Amino acid sequence: AQSVTQLDSHVSVSEGTPVLLRCNYSSSYSPSLFWYVQHPNKGLQLLLKYTSAATLVKGINGFEAEFKKSETSFHLTKPSAHMSDAAEYFCVVSEGTGGFKTIFGAGTRLFVKA
Amino acid sequence: NAGVTQTPKFQVLKTGQSMTLQCAQDMNHEYMSWYRQDPGMGLRLIHYSVGAGITDQGEVPNGYNVSRSTTEDFPLRLLSAAPSQTSVYFCASSPYRGLLNNEQFFGPGTRLTVL
Repeated sequence: AQSVTQLDSHVSVSEGTPVLLRCNYSSSYSPSLFWYVQHPNKGLQLLLKYTSAATLVKGINGFEAEFKKSETSFHLTKPSAHMSDAAEYFCVVSEGTGGFKTIFGAGTRLFVKA
Repeated sequence: NAGVTQTPKFQVLKTGQSMTLQCAQDMNHEYMSWYRQDPGMGLRLIHYSVGAGITDQGEVPNGYNVSRSTTEDFPLRLLSAAPSQTSVYFCASSPYRGLLNNEQFFGPGTRLTVL
């Protein structure tokens, strides 16, 4: 069975400092992993995805994530936070072997202070 | 392309009423899905479809029906609304039947309140 755990419900950083949003997963198969972002009162937008091609994945707006199989982690990072990064972030795992279901983490709300 | 559209944006129902949330996509995507979003719980899959005429249950299907008569449309029906169905509902689509390696495109959401 697959599951996703986002280790922090809230993260607060100052503008210009690094961002780290943590995600652990479990999956019986080789997973696809995603990070989505949701700005207030908006739908979700894909930030990046891991599909086994490379363990370090680059996404939009300067975000990156590293897949670590030994640690079953897929943490999201950004070197320097911007005010516009304030949003909710979801780590998502898709069932392997052509699966049709996704499991969302509970979400991490990122606050960025001026 | 309009992408994924949802109507209505807001809805208030009384307990026991029925209604249909509409979802349409103009990208010729095979896969469509419905999620509900509740505080602190992320998004949970209600139903999904891998093509016209094919639907299946997700994690929280009770109280909801779906059908997929065309590739474009995937309506979600609440048969007898309950306060526990107060939530924000998102429709999503994906180009291929499977979600391995494939991102989903989300609609703007419908905020439903059941009194």
